[in-house]
Amino acid sequence: AQSVTQLGSHVSVSEGALVLLRCNYSSSVPPYLFWYVQYPNQGLQLLLKYTTGATLVKGINGFEAEFKKSETSFHLTKPSAHMSDAAEYFCAVSRLSGGYQKVTFGTGTKLQVIP
Amino acid sequence: NAGVTQTPKFQVLKTGQSMTLQCAQDMNHEYMSWYRQDPGMGLRLIHYSVGAGITDQGEVPNGYNVSRSTTEDFPLRLLSAAPSQTSVYFCASSYGQGTGNTIYFGEGSWLTVV
Repeated sequence: AQSVTQLGSHVSVSEGALVLLRCNYSSSVPPYLFWYVQYPNQGLQLLLKYTTGATLVKGINGFEAEFKKSETSFHLTKPSAHMSDAAEYFCAVSRLSGGYQKVTFGTGTKLQVIP
Repeated sequence: NAGVTQTPKFQVLKTGQSMTLQCAQDMNHEYMSWYRQDPGMGLRLIHYSVGAGITDQGEVPNGYNVSRSTTEDFPLRLLSAAPSQTSVYFCASSYGQGTGNTIYFGEGSWLTVV
């Protein structure tokens, strides 16, 4: 079984401030972890993913996330928020099931950037 | 490069009506799926397919039907629309076997059932 918990359905930050979106996962096997971003009225697109190897993963638009096995976390960060970062962010975990990946998404965190 | 294309973008249905949401991908992906997105509930898997002729149920399959006659197309049918099916629907595709694969999403279809 696997699950994802995103802490905070809404997060507000000032433009230029640190962005921190929290994600904790539960998985019975080594997880593959993703962050997807959804801009208003659009589909989701991949921001970054952790599969194996380096635990600090860099993504698009200056975002990065660190896989911490001991804390079962995969928090998303960006040093300085930009107005264009306003969107909804989804954490996801996947594992193999019958040879194919089974993906579970979190409930999402809406990021508001205040000018 | 079109990626995942789904139509229509917006649709209003009356209770009891049927309709089909179309989905096509041009990336030769084996794996295709349909999700619905509701406020506070994230994305929930409706049906998925691991290749032409092979489909299976996801988390919330009731009231929906799918088929996969070609690699490219994966339509979602609402058999008899109900207000509870008012939602945003996303078609998605990815490479087939293995895990850690990036999922590519369509732009979404906003469905309202009145």
